[in-house]
Amino acid sequence: QQQVKQSPQSLIVQKGGISIINCAYENTAFDYFPWYQQFPGKGPALLIAIRPDVSEKKEGRFTISFNKSAKQFSLHIMDSQPGDSATYFCAASRDDYKLSFGAGTTVTVRA
Amino acid sequence: NAGVTQTPKFQVLKTGQSMTLQCAQDMNHNSMYWYRQDPGMGLRLIYYSASEGTTDKGEVPNGYNVSRLNKREFSLRLESAAPSQTSVYFCASGVGARTEAFFGQGTRLTVV
Repeated sequence: QQQVKQSPQSLIVQKGGISIINCAYENTAFDYFPWYQQFPGKGPALLIAIRPDVSEKKEGRFTISFNKSAKQFSLHIMDSQPGDSATYFCAASRDDYKLSFGAGTTVTVRA
Repeated sequence: NAGVTQTPKFQVLKTGQSMTLQCAQDMNHNSMYWYRQDPGMGLRLIYYSASEGTTDKGEVPNGYNVSRLNKREFSLRLESAAPSQTSVYFCASGVGARTEAFFGQGTRLTVV
């Protein structure tokens, strides 16, 4: 039973468009919410992370929105580029070392 | 700067065979992790080592054992491989809880 539910499983967006990936969690003890990006044949790499004391964090074209009351968080990729085509994983953890991952979203950006 | 290095990159095992996956990091990280990645299931934690000398079970530890050999190295052993252990295995390291985890390139394991 996954502790972090991620949707959609895949999405296709045109170059310059916005990609939106959503995640939901149940465990209110979670207090660290990272997003990882994975290219084929590579290991995941940290993209951006947020803690629940802020509602939004932006790094370049990537933005995390966090809704603590709804126990939901999302990744927005603005001005999507072909180089953004990858699998994105949301994750959550608490004060232990167990990072729980969502199932992943495969993003394809069409030129 | 190698980061996290995993060996081997690919392996095919017969059911019942044993093998050890090796992982080494050169970032002086305290914590190390083993994950498995299966389609539609994301990454699931098998075992982790919060610091040298300690290991703990993750979500899916059955059928696996680990050894934190020293601060740099963390190995994963399959004593009697089963087809259900066919997966891509990732080792990762980090400074500690709630911090960035750095992943290796993965080991693609097939058990026939």
